[in-house]
Amino acid sequence: AQSVTQPDIHITVSEGASLELRCNYSYGATPYLFWYVQSPGQGLQLLLKYFSGDTLVQGIKGFEAEFKRSQSSFNLRKPSVHWSDAAEYFCAVAPYGGATNKLIFGTGTLLAVQP
Amino acid sequence: KAGVTQTPRYLIKTRGQQVTLSCSPISGHRSVSWYQQTPGQGLQFLFEYFSETQRNKGNFPGRFSGRQFSNSRSEMNVSTLELGDSALYLCASSLEGTGRGETQYFGPGTRLLVL
Repeated sequence: AQSVTQPDIHITVSEGASLELRCNYSYGATPYLFWYVQSPGQGLQLLLKYFSGDTLVQGIKGFEAEFKRSQSSFNLRKPSVHWSDAAEYFCAVAPYGGATNKLIFGTGTLLAVQP
Repeated sequence: KAGVTQTPRYLIKTRGQQVTLSCSPISGHRSVSWYQQTPGQGLQFLFEYFSETQRNKGNFPGRFSGRQFSNSRSEMNVSTLELGDSALYLCASSLEGTGRGETQYFGPGTRLLVL
C-alpha cells in the first residue's frame, strides 16, 4: 500500500535560517507528489507539486522541493525562513496516472519559527 | 474566483445525533473530495464525488455518506455520531479530479465536536 512518511513531527528554526522538511513515500512507481501548508484554523494551501520532468520544483512563498527517485524522497526546502512560515506542512502522494483527488497524506511537520 | 467554501465552520453535536456538512466548490470544478483530519489519524480520504456520483471511497464506515448536486455542491452526512467523529472535515475541489496537472483546492474546513 502507498504511504507517506514525514519523520519530523516538530521542527524549530530561527528566522532567516534555512529549512528542510523531509518526506519519504512508498510506492512502486513515481507518484504525483505534493506539499501543502496549513495555518492554524485554516484549510490546506498547495505549495508545489511534482508530476514529471525537472526534479527540482519551485513553488509559492519561496519554497522548492527536490524529487529523488533513488531515495523515494521529496524534501521541501526554503533558503531563508520568515516568521509567517510558522505552520504545519503536509506531504502528499497520488498514484502516477491515477486520481489526484484521493491524496494520501503524511502526518505533517509542525514548524515553529524563533525570532 | 471565489475559493472553496464550507458551512458551517463550527458545529457541536452530541453522541447519537446526525450531522450534515456542506461544501461549495470553486466555480467550474466538478470533482469534490472530502477528508477527515484528526490529531490521531491525520488526514484521511473519505470519498469523492463527480457528476453527482460517488467515484472513490475511503475506508470509513457506512455512517459516513455524501452526495453531490447538479451544481457540483456537495454535502456529507454522518449518522449516529460517535465521540471519535470529532474532527476537522475538509472539502477539496478540482476540475475533473483525474489526470496530470490537476490540483485540489481545499476549503477552510468544518470543525465538528461531538460531546
